[in-house]
Amino acid sequence: ETGVTQTPRHLVMGMTNKKSLKCEQHLGHNAMYWYKQSAKKPLELMFVYNFKEQTENNSVPSRFSPECPNSSHLFLHLHTLQPEDSALYLCASSQSAGWRNEQFFGPGTRLTVL
Amino acid sequence: AQKITQTQPGMFVQEKEAVTLDCTYDTSDQSYGLFWYKQPSSGEMIFLIYQGSYDEQNATEGRYSLNFQKARKSANLVISASQLGDSAMYFCAMREGPNRDDKIIFGKGTRLHILP
Repeated sequence: ETGVTQTPRHLVMGMTNKKSLKCEQHLGHNAMYWYKQSAKKPLELMFVYNFKEQTENNSVPSRFSPECPNSSHLFLHLHTLQPEDSALYLCASSQSAGWRNEQFFGPGTRLTVL
Repeated sequence: AQKITQTQPGMFVQEKEAVTLDCTYDTSDQSYGLFWYKQPSSGEMIFLIYQGSYDEQNATEGRYSLNFQKARKSANLVISASQLGDSAMYFCAMREGPNRDDKIIFGKGTRLHILP
């Protein structure tokens, strides 16, 4: 596979469930990102990992827990979510976390919290 | 204040016509980068074009060009000879200078509809 892949593409979960979103990039990039896209709101950056180190946590609630075991993989662990967390979660990667580097996005996971 | 402003929530354009999507930005940095992304209904964000603040020429990528007017803090996307497949959401984004946090700030987007 090429580019940035995300699994699952769709996820429905209850508020007491624990689930994980997975992102994998095949571009040889060193930086990876999680974004949240809610209806009628701008895309919101959640987390940034640069060379496996978290460099940004944009005031995200602790019920979202990221994990970056290596430069190619990024996870978002979810637990005790709220209905307002329902959104499209997008993963992206870039060559490095430098300001000139464009980000390449995955197809997203459409999350519904019941 | 919003960092990225896209004033057109939706646009309808006839196929084969040129389209201009507006974007204005707000920054006090001298060094910054501007991006345009396309998001079809499938959800994937597709990178289209990049303009650096120090680039003297407007960026072009195939049918896409960026009309960069630095003094006006404007970075409009121009799509020439529009096609039905251009129907999508379009997002303007900015990453501020190298001393800032590593964030890309996105606008709220413009939904473009190409009519046959």
